[in-house]
Amino acid sequence: AQSVTQLGSHVSVSEGALVLLRCNYSSSVPPYLFWYVQYPNQGLQLLLKYTSAATLVKGINGFEAEFKKSETSFHLTKPSAHMSDAAEYFCAVRRQAGTALIFGKGTTLSVSS
Amino acid sequence: GAGVSQSPSNKVTEKGKDVELRCDPISGHTALYWYRQSLGQGLEFLIYFQGNSAPDKSGLPSDRFSAERTGGSVSTLTIQRTQQEDSAVYLCASSWDYTYEQYFGPGTRLTVT
Repeated sequence: AQSVTQLGSHVSVSEGALVLLRCNYSSSVPPYLFWYVQYPNQGLQLLLKYTSAATLVKGINGFEAEFKKSETSFHLTKPSAHMSDAAEYFCAVRRQAGTALIFGKGTTLSVSS
Repeated sequence: GAGVSQSPSNKVTEKGKDVELRCDPISGHTALYWYRQSLGQGLEFLIYFQGNSAPDKSGLPSDRFSAERTGGSVSTLTIQRTQQEDSAVYLCASSWDYTYEQYFGPGTRLTVT
């Protein structure tokens, strides 16, 4: 069965520091992977997606993620955090048997000044 | 353009009552998904509609949950005889078809008292 594990339910960084949010997946076939962001009382917004093209994927708001098959990872990074990046981030893999997404538990990112 | 809309934004109901939650997808999107977001379970897939095909109901937690999609557009999620464990945020998403990213609505927060 497919699954997604996000390491760290809460990550705190200082403004200007590197953001690293970890995601590992389990899939017996090449996966389609996604990162979504959720701001308080809002729906999910797509940050970026991996669909078996380039392994380094660039998304919105300066985020990027690298697909590493050998490590079954799809970690999200941003070189310099902004206060506006504070939100909850979800990693997801598209189900093999259907097209719905399987989500990780989410990581809350806090940014301090 | 208009995004995915959901109504109501908040719903408080008494245990045992039936509730209906509505989703208006992005115009032209043929795929529609319902997810549930709760503290204990994270984000869970409920049901998926694709065009005129039979819906994928594999994520529905019990037979108290049902959904329909009329005219290939608006969808209604119905929960009968609500229980306290049904309290959650219900998210709807749509996409052009299963190969494309999903766009999420703001959700309906359901509280069962």
